[in-house]
Amino acid sequence: DAMVIQNPRYQVTQFGKPVTLSCSQTLNHNVMYWYQQKSSQAPKLLFHYYDKDFNNEADTPDNFQSRRPNTSFCFLDIRSPGLGDAAMYLCATSDPTSGVYNEQFFGPGTRLTVL
Amino acid sequence: AQTVTQSQPEMSVQEAETVTLSCTYDTSENNYYLFWYKQPPSRQMILVIRQEAYKQQNATENRFSVNFQKAAKSFSLKISDSQLGDTAMYFCAFMKGWGTDKLIFGTGTRLQVFP
Repeated sequence: DAMVIQNPRYQVTQFGKPVTLSCSQTLNHNVMYWYQQKSSQAPKLLFHYYDKDFNNEADTPDNFQSRRPNTSFCFLDIRSPGLGDAAMYLCATSDPTSGVYNEQFFGPGTRLTVL
Repeated sequence: AQTVTQSQPEMSVQEAETVTLSCTYDTSENNYYLFWYKQPPSRQMILVIRQEAYKQQNATENRFSVNFQKAAKSFSLKISDSQLGDTAMYFCAFMKGWGTDKLIFGTGTRLQVFP
């Protein structure tokens, strides 16, 4: 089945220690998104890639970076995680050229704990 | 800026009964999309139902239907014949246009279906 895969599902890191979260997709969608979902809060878009074009949300902290080496993979790098970065990170994909409205397909998320 | 408000943090319903989840939003856009997403425990977010703002007819998908009141900026979800598998977090979301526009989520309603 075509899907959005996130690894790992649970990630524990130490305060200030860089961490990378991974997302891959078999849908061949050209757009990939990263959302941050803190406890009891709404998921919030951090940035997205349209093909190789990177689009950062204005209020995304500089501590968050992303890489998309190819269509299938997208990475979220947190350079110096703080306690406030503990959250669920959701990856999503979409295909705006598909002729239907731009549905976003989500992965299961990676829950990040910062000690 | 667009906002989405879900005023019911938690709801419960007995199996086979009907439950309605509330959502209001604020926007100055005339063309937009509204969505209800379901996030079961430890599983990925999936789309339940969508509504195009230009359509007056309320969307329906099997046991799920919406009451879309554009003037009131209200978008409630009705789940009929509730099933145990409906237990999940439900997010109302707004997208202002087409293409790579981001989803703006509400804070969610946790629905528990009891036998």
